[in-house]
Amino acid sequence: AQKVTQAQTEISVVEKEDVTLDCVYETRDTTYYLFWYKQPPSGELVFLIRRNSFDEQNEISGRYSWNFQKSTSSFNFTITASQVVDSAVYFCALSFQAGTALIFGKGTTLSVSS
Amino acid sequence: DTEVTQTPKHLVMGMTNKKSLKCEQHMGHRAMYWYKQKAKKPPELMFVYSYEKLSINESVPSRFSPECPNSSLLNLHLHALQPEDSALYLCASSQGPRGIQETQYFGPGTRLLVL
Repeated sequence: AQKVTQAQTEISVVEKEDVTLDCVYETRDTTYYLFWYKQPPSGELVFLIRRNSFDEQNEISGRYSWNFQKSTSSFNFTITASQVVDSAVYFCALSFQAGTALIFGKGTTLSVSS
Repeated sequence: DTEVTQTPKHLVMGMTNKKSLKCEQHMGHRAMYWYKQKAKKPPELMFVYSYEKLSINESVPSRFSPECPNSSLLNLHLHALQPEDSALYLCASSQGPRGIQETQYFGPGTRLLVL
């Protein structure tokens, strides 16, 4: 079965706290692609990162970092020194071939208060 | 520039109306998608167009009719909708099927309310 699990439904933090959003995926395919998208209240899904199954290198982009571990089938997302503007729903997604559906997790709602 | 535009932003329609949602991208992408998203749920794929041809229809009711007039435009024609069709409709595009997955870029969506 192809599946993405985001066990954290809602997370609330205070500004400047670090927060990690968990993503666990299931697939038997050896080639797959993992994504994180951000959806602010305006509704648009904003692409954050794409990772190929054969590239386990972690990535850092400003305050954002991603930890991809094939051994545990996880692709976790950490926001360092969170800000109010980080408040949004974050989706982890899985896919296999071009032109096919993204398999989304149920999303994690992050609320950052000042 | 990774911009996908959608019009209108909001739409209210009765169950007997006919309306259309429009999506446009100028990134030279050859794959375009329609997703439906209900409140507090992830997006669900409806249709995929690849090189202006319908390649995936996820068993969507016929009251939703997609159209891809050219490589930059994607329409979703709506007719005789039901109140449960009220949702956020998202359009996305990606570079085009070349055997590897490419990133899908999403538009801002159209919030549809069916009365």
